Amino acid sequence: EVQLVESGGDLVQPGGSLRLSCAASGFPFSRNYMAWVRQAPGRGLEWVSTIYSADSTYYADSVKGRFTISRDNSKNTLFLQMHSLRPEDTALYFCARVKDFVVFGDWGQGSLVIVSS
Amino acid sequence: EIVLTQSPGTLSLSPGERATLSCRASQSVSSKYLAWYQQKPGQAPRLLIFGTSSRATGIPDRFSGSGSGTDFTLTISRLEPEDFAIYYCQQYGGSPLFSFGPGTKVDIK
Repeated sequence: EVQLVESGGDLVQPGGSLRLSCAASGFPFSRNYMAWVRQAPGRGLEWVSTIYSADSTYYADSVKGRFTISRDNSKNTLFLQMHSLRPEDTALYFCARVKDFVVFGDWGQGSLVIVSS
Repeated sequence: EIVLTQSPGTLSLSPGERATLSCRASQSVSSKYLAWYQQKPGQAPRLLIFGTSSRATGIPDRFSGSGSGTDFTLTISRLEPEDFAIYYCQQYGGSPLFSFGPGTKVDIK
């Protein structure tokens, strides 16, 4: 059974930094594209970033230059390092396994990030 | 940039009725790259349909997808109580690389 468990969400001040983690199990992690998708309170879904390897990373324009996606295949863990956080980054951040590079086949339950002073 | 628009915003129906949800893209989307998700309150989204018309594992056959080019449809043939939720379409391959529609809420009439 695929399991994705996010952690690291917190309340942080504008301009601050935070690192999210996603522990994966139940599938060959290293062979899968992985992604972060976020959802602001009461709003829709927004793709944030996707990774296959360190040389194969993709970002939404809204986070490019501020967020970095990475992975540790030895620990089956996905990360999202977030810098220069803004109030509009407030959201529930979902970790997702990307199926065939084009859809989000499995999702975690999310980790809440609140950016507020 | 490919923008997805979903209609209606809210669909009020009774159990047993047929639901027809629309997703329109601002530019042509390959049928291989159009998907649908269901999200219930307090839950993560769940993949329903990928490649316009292929059901994901475990999805009942009352859910079906169709369309091409810029117009896509998700149909729920007979609504079950557990189908009342928000439905999002999603495309891959444009700019941004992935994008979602704003969602259609299917609620109980």
